[in-house]
Amino acid sequence: GQSLEQPSEVTAVEGAIVQINCTYQTSGFYGLSWYQQHDGGAPTFLSYNALDGLEETGRFSSFLSRSDSYGYLLLQELQMKDSASYFCAVRERDYGQNFVFGPGTRLSVLP
Amino acid sequence: GAGVSQTPSNKVTEKGKYVELRCDPISGHTALYWYRQSLGQGPEFLIYFQGTGAADDSGLPNDRFFAVRPEGSVSTLKIQRTERGDSAVYLCASRSSGSVNNEQFFGPGTRLTVL
Repeated sequence: GQSLEQPSEVTAVEGAIVQINCTYQTSGFYGLSWYQQHDGGAPTFLSYNALDGLEETGRFSSFLSRSDSYGYLLLQELQMKDSASYFCAVRERDYGQNFVFGPGTRLSVLP
Repeated sequence: GAGVSQTPSNKVTEKGKYVELRCDPISGHTALYWYRQSLGQGPEFLIYFQGTGAADDSGLPNDRFFAVRPEGSVSTLKIQRTERGDSAVYLCASRSSGSVNNEQFFGPGTRLTVL
């Protein structure tokens, strides 16, 4: 079977740093993506890791350790607009490239 | 517009009826995906098209669900004999074949309610 685990909720204050973890058990692994989704909105792409290590894009960074079946999304200098749900998603197959999404982590940023 | 569009935005139907949901991907994107998302959960993969053909339909829950993409652009998801459990937001996403980071661009979704 396939399963991805994320914390259901995280709360932090403006300006803080927050880390959202994702562990996965899938039949195959070809990459880990992160998406952000505001209430009522469409998921939007944040990052993609195919290899171990840290990828940085502005205030957002994403890390992958394939040996640990683990990744995380790091959000720095939190802003109120970062309040949203964050999903990790695993690309299970080399072909097709469909992604298996995690259950999501709801981030609340407080003033 | 430059993004993925989906119509209708909302669809209310009665149990047992047939519905069609439409997706217009970003122009030039050869890959198209359908997902469905229930409240508080992540998107659940349904089907993937590469061009006109369904390259992976392993996520379709049963034979009541069918999707087409006859000209390699617009796609229609068809649900027969709808059931209350089909109620969800149906999301469409497209991706460029040249994408190196596998970024999928999602549409706003169609909220389907089966009464």
